[in-house]
Amino acid sequence: ETGVTQTPRHLVMGMTNKKSLKCEQHLGHNAMYWYKQSAKKPLELMFVYNFKEQTENNSVPSRFSPECPNSSHLFLHLHTLQPEDSALYLCASSQDGGGAGSDTQYFGPGTRLTVL
Amino acid sequence: AQSVAQPEDQVKVAEGNPLTVKCTYSVSGNPYLFWYVQYPNRGLQFLLKYITGDNLVKGSYGFEAEFNKSQTSFHLKKPSALVSDSALYFCAVRDGGTGFQKLVFGTGTRLLVSP
Repeated sequence: ETGVTQTPRHLVMGMTNKKSLKCEQHLGHNAMYWYKQSAKKPLELMFVYNFKEQTENNSVPSRFSPECPNSSHLFLHLHTLQPEDSALYLCASSQDGGGAGSDTQYFGPGTRLTVL
Repeated sequence: AQSVAQPEDQVKVAEGNPLTVKCTYSVSGNPYLFWYVQYPNRGLQFLLKYITGDNLVKGSYGFEAEFNKSQTSFHLKKPSALVSDSALYFCAVRDGGTGFQKLVFGTGTRLLVSP
């Protein structure tokens, strides 16, 4: 295991529900990321947090709301999602979220989200 | 903006044979290149990276990759494939410029190793 955990592993929700995804890293890293992985498409970076501060929002719709209370925890709050939001949501962490070229990102197992 | 191409959706090899998974990239500055592997129902696992120095990079599970600047390629290789290597492989690149640079991923190549 990489030291990055995600819960829940699977989530089914209706379009009117509100749910949250949780990510925790045990690596002592300073940066955390949310990615969306859809079939046949490259990973899409959604959000970046560096030292608890959001540094990147990759034009993500407001129905996705991130929260980073500390450098070890990251949440993704979901509300009024659409069926096309169904995907694998991956969390990652790295030592330096400032984008240093050599910085390696380590991924969690993901949450498989299905929106009905 | 940086980009990555993995020209093969799928690669099939027999166990014991050498394997190659291809990757080409485009960046404006110096490239930082990564390979990740994804097994079913799992996240991405880091295999290896090229930052600078020796063009041949060795990584986990016997994998290696060769950086070729003139061909802008970073192909993943293994001398002898195992059935357990069957998985989805992603190449990624980050531009070595200043400020925040995204890690850009390819669409992935599915490796199938037959017994």
